[in-house]
Parts: sequence; structure tokens; C-alpha cells
Amino acid sequence: AQKVTQAQTEISVVEKEDVTLDCVYETRDTTYYLFWYKQPPSGELVFLIRRNSFDEQNEISGRYSWNFQKSTSSFNFTITASQVVDSAVYFCALSGYSGAGSYQLTFGKGTKLSVIP
Amino acid sequence: NAGVTQTPKFQVLKTGQSMTLQCAQDMNHNSMYWYRQDPGMGLRLIYYSASEGTTDKGEVPNGYNVSRLNKREFSLRLESAAPSQTSVYFCASSGTWGTSTDTQYFGPGTRLTVL
Repeated sequence: AQKVTQAQTEISVVEKEDVTLDCVYETRDTTYYLFWYKQPPSGELVFLIRRNSFDEQNEISGRYSWNFQKSTSSFNFTITASQVVDSAVYFCALSGYSGAGSYQLTFGKGTKLSVIP
Repeated sequence: NAGVTQTPKFQVLKTGQSMTLQCAQDMNHNSMYWYRQDPGMGLRLIYYSASEGTTDKGEVPNGYNVSRLNKREFSLRLESAAPSQTSVYFCASSGTWGTSTDTQYFGPGTRLTVL
């Protein structure tokens, strides 16, 4: 069975601070994908990134960066110079084979980030 | 493109009433999903449809039924609503079933309250 753990339930930072959101996963699959989604206060779920299990290169997109370490089964998300608009719940998710020819997403419980002006 | 749309956005039901949540996508995706989101629980999969004409149970299917009406539309029905079904319901779709490269795109959600 797959599992995604986001140990940080809530984080508060002051604007312009850097913040890292942790994600640890468990899977027996050799091929899998990891995702991060953002859920702002308005409630929609916004796709941020997808990373496959064979690509351990870090990725940077503006103020966002992701660190994938297969050795520790972690896929952490860092926001540099945080802004109030970054306040949201962030979900890490894992896609993998779930049997009978199907794949499913397993979500962590989310980390609520509050950026204080 | 509207992406994934859901109706209604809000709904209040009394225990025992029935209703259908509607979902449609215009991205020509093969696969569609229904999730529920409860405080502190993340998203849990209720049912999914790998392709038109197929549906399968997810993690929490009890009390729900689904219909994949066509490639675009996937509905979720509560036959006899219970207070435990108070939740926010999200529909999602993704491109190609059978690979782990799917990225799921989500609708805006339906906030359902059962009294």
C-alpha cells in the first residue's frame, strides 16, 4: 500500500522568509510519480509540479523549488521569499500502480501555510 | 477551455434525501475521479472511471454511486444522504489511464452539508 506523510500540519512564517514543506512517501513500485498541489483559501486545487521516480534533479520555478531524494523517499517543496499569496494548504501526492491495471493518486493530509505580512 | 466544471457549488440536504453531483470536463481526458475532502484527512478517492463505460471503487465508496454518462461527464449520486457525507466533493480528470504519468486536474468543488 502506498502512503504519503506530511508531518507539518500548519506552518506560519513572516513574509519574505523561506519555508520548506516536507513530504515523505512509501511505495513498493519502482516507477511512480510525485505531485504537489496548492489549495488557496478559495478552495480550488491547483497543480504545481509532477516528478517521475527516475528523475532526481531538483527543479526550480521562480520562487518555488523541489528537492526529490529517492534515498530518503522524500519530495520536499521550498518557497523562497514567501509572500502573502502563498498562504494555502499544500498537498503532496503519489501516483502508483494499485492493481487490476489501474493507477491512483494517494494524497497526504496537507500542510497549511500561513504567511504573515 | 473551462477545464473541469462541477455543479452545484453548494448544497444543503436533509438526512435521507438524494442528490446527484455533476461533473464535466472539456479536455478530452479518458479518466475521471470523485474525491471527498474532510478536515485533516486530505483527499480520499470515492470512485473513478478509467475510461468511458468503466467505473471502479476507490478508498471510500460506501453510500455513493457513480455514472460515466459519456467521455465528458461523470456524476456522483447520494441515494440516501447521511450527516457523515457532509464534505467538500472534488471531481478530477486526467489524460491516459494505465500509466503513472497522469496529472489530475480538479474542478472547483461542491460543498455539501447534510443536516
